[in-house]
Amino acid sequence: DTGVSQNPRHKITKRGQNVTFRCDPISEHNRLYWYRQTLGQGPEFLTYFQNEAQLEKSRLLSDRFSAERPKGSFSTLEIQRTEQGDSAMYLCASSLGGPDTEAFFGQGTRLTVV
Amino acid sequence: AQTVTQSQPEMSVQEAETVTLSCTYDTSENNYYLFWYKQPPSRQMILVIRQEAYKQQNATENRFSVNFQKAAKSFSLKISDSQLGDTAMYFCAFMKRWDDKIIFGKGTRLHILP
Repeated sequence: DTGVSQNPRHKITKRGQNVTFRCDPISEHNRLYWYRQTLGQGPEFLTYFQNEAQLEKSRLLSDRFSAERPKGSFSTLEIQRTEQGDSAMYLCASSLGGPDTEAFFGQGTRLTVV
Repeated sequence: AQTVTQSQPEMSVQEAETVTLSCTYDTSENNYYLFWYKQPPSRQMILVIRQEAYKQQNATENRFSVNFQKAAKSFSLKISDSQLGDTAMYFCAFMKRWDDKIIFGKGTRLHILP
């Protein structure tokens, strides 16, 4: 499989629980991005990595959110003490980096907080 | 800050017809990229077409073409000979050159009717 893979595809959790999502980028891609998409909105940038280094975080990424890419390959996004407002589709994308390269998106993880 | 506005939340056209999706954006940057992404139901987002702001020639990809008006900050997508498989959410997006954040509009839901 040469695409961006995200797991799980769906997650239902109770408010206050912690959740973790995984993203496996295209293997040769050194840039990895996380976006959040709420109903009726376009994706909003959360953070991105160049290899294992997290280079930028959006103000949308509260203290309850943490992202890692420990070996520059897959990435995890953890949300602690989930709130109903965290319900959204979380999208991962990867690219080779640079202005002329294309970002490829995964199918996303849909989180529902009840 | 950059913003992307899509004024058409939803559109429907008959198969084989031509449809134009509108997008305007706001930026003070001179070097940037504009994109149209397609997000089919329950499938990942894919890049439809990309325009570099420094290129005056409008980008074309098979049945998809854009009308890029830099002074007016307008970037519309024309789909010719529309097909049932074109049914999807379409997002207009912006990225500064040498930046890695893609800024998306809210999207236009396009229905191609048989």
